[in-house]
Amino acid sequence: DQQVKQNSPSLSVQEGRISILNCDYTNSMFDYFLWYKKYPAEGPTFLISISSIKDKNEDGRFTVFLNKSAKHLSLHIVPSQPGDSAVYFCAASARNTGNQFYFGTGTSLTVIP
Amino acid sequence: DVKVTQSSRYLVKRTGEKVFLECVQDMDHENMFWYRQDPGLGLRLIYFSYDVKMKEKGDIPEGYSVSREKKERFSLILESASTNQTSMYLCASSSRPGVFQHFGDGTRLSIL
Repeated sequence: DQQVKQNSPSLSVQEGRISILNCDYTNSMFDYFLWYKKYPAEGPTFLISISSIKDKNEDGRFTVFLNKSAKHLSLHIVPSQPGDSAVYFCAASARNTGNQFYFGTGTSLTVIP
Repeated sequence: DVKVTQSSRYLVKRTGEKVFLECVQDMDHENMFWYRQDPGLGLRLIYFSYDVKMKEKGDIPEGYSVSREKKERFSLILESASTNQTSMYLCASSSRPGVFQHFGDGTRLSIL
């Protein structure tokens, strides 16, 4: 059963606008969350993380929001750029149960120039 | 710069063959991982290793085994390849448990 879900397989956004990618999880023990970005023919690269003790983490144009009560996190990209076009994966782990991260199915973002 | 290198980008094998996928990292990381990525299923963990000669099963270990004889190298073995093992295989490493992982560029394996 998928513990981390990304319900939108794809998203298209105009350059300069905000991109919002969503991720839901079912396991209330998850306390650390990551976003990865993946270009075609390359492996995923780490983008940004958030711990459950926070509800927001920001790094330049990228902000991740965490809503623990809703078991939901989102990645905001502002402003979106054509180079942001990629597949984005969210991942979650429960630190007290070991090393394993559970990944969502990915959202393909296209930023239209 | 951090580097995880997978030995092959593309591989075609036949049903029943024993297949070896190799992964090397140059970061002196303790932890290494093998995932497979399939459409609609995301990344699923096959096996991981905390240290040399140590291994742990992930979510989908059936039909696979692993070998970690040296810290920098983690091999995935398909004992008897089957068509349902056609997939993209990704190797990753991390410096310690529970932190983000560095990924290789993947091996696209086709089993005919």
